[in-house]
Amino acid sequence: NAGVTQTPKFRVLKTGQSMTLLCAQDMNHEYMYWYRQDPGMGLRLIHYSVGEGTTAKGEVPDGYNVSRLKKQNFLLGLESAAPSQTSVYFCASMRLAGPYEQYFGPGTRLTVT
Amino acid sequence: GQNIDQPTEMTATEGAIVQINCTYQTSGFNGLFWYQQHAGEAPTFLSYNVLDGLEEKGRFSSFLSRSKGYSYLLLKELQMKDSASYLCAVREREPDRGSTLGRLYFGRGTQLTVWP
Repeated sequence: NAGVTQTPKFRVLKTGQSMTLLCAQDMNHEYMYWYRQDPGMGLRLIHYSVGEGTTAKGEVPDGYNVSRLKKQNFLLGLESAAPSQTSVYFCASMRLAGPYEQYFGPGTRLTVT
Repeated sequence: GQNIDQPTEMTATEGAIVQINCTYQTSGFNGLFWYQQHAGEAPTFLSYNVLDGLEEKGRFSSFLSRSKGYSYLLLKELQMKDSASYLCAVREREPDRGSTLGRLYFGRGTQLTVWP
């Protein structure tokens, strides 16, 4: 039981490049989330999903897209990376029926130069 | 919307007790969470309060007053390993989606340093 895993752990991009971050969970959770964490800003929700095939915008969705084609996977895409997207990205999942805690992945540290 | 406020930094000594406060303003309150996050690691769940009162779990306790929009996390018998950031998060109901779970909004975290 690996819980929530994220790929990759680290990445350096040049401005304008694209990439996809992968989140996988093996707990059969319905809810999945993508957050970014910046110094002094706390965790901010980018996008989330309440089930396979559904996604919704969070607080800071601009510049990101997501897809949830399979229940266990939640992908975060950056189509044209910008330096402002340098951050640590965390994925989380939660069971619909409770308990209502979110389980976090180990994070992806992304630097855009 | 929501407005979650917690102190930026706190310090304490080993063996002491520390209380980390969190105030919030939100429509459709649906639960308050505390998470612990060590440097370079992911947040881990500490506690969940949805009703008023105190929830105790070992050395950690969490209190909620919904009428005051206030919570605190109490850490007893502090240890060096308790040095971490403590995140207060509020769940808000989403009336337009008819969901009772909604999204989680995090405060900026309180960095606790425990000195020997």
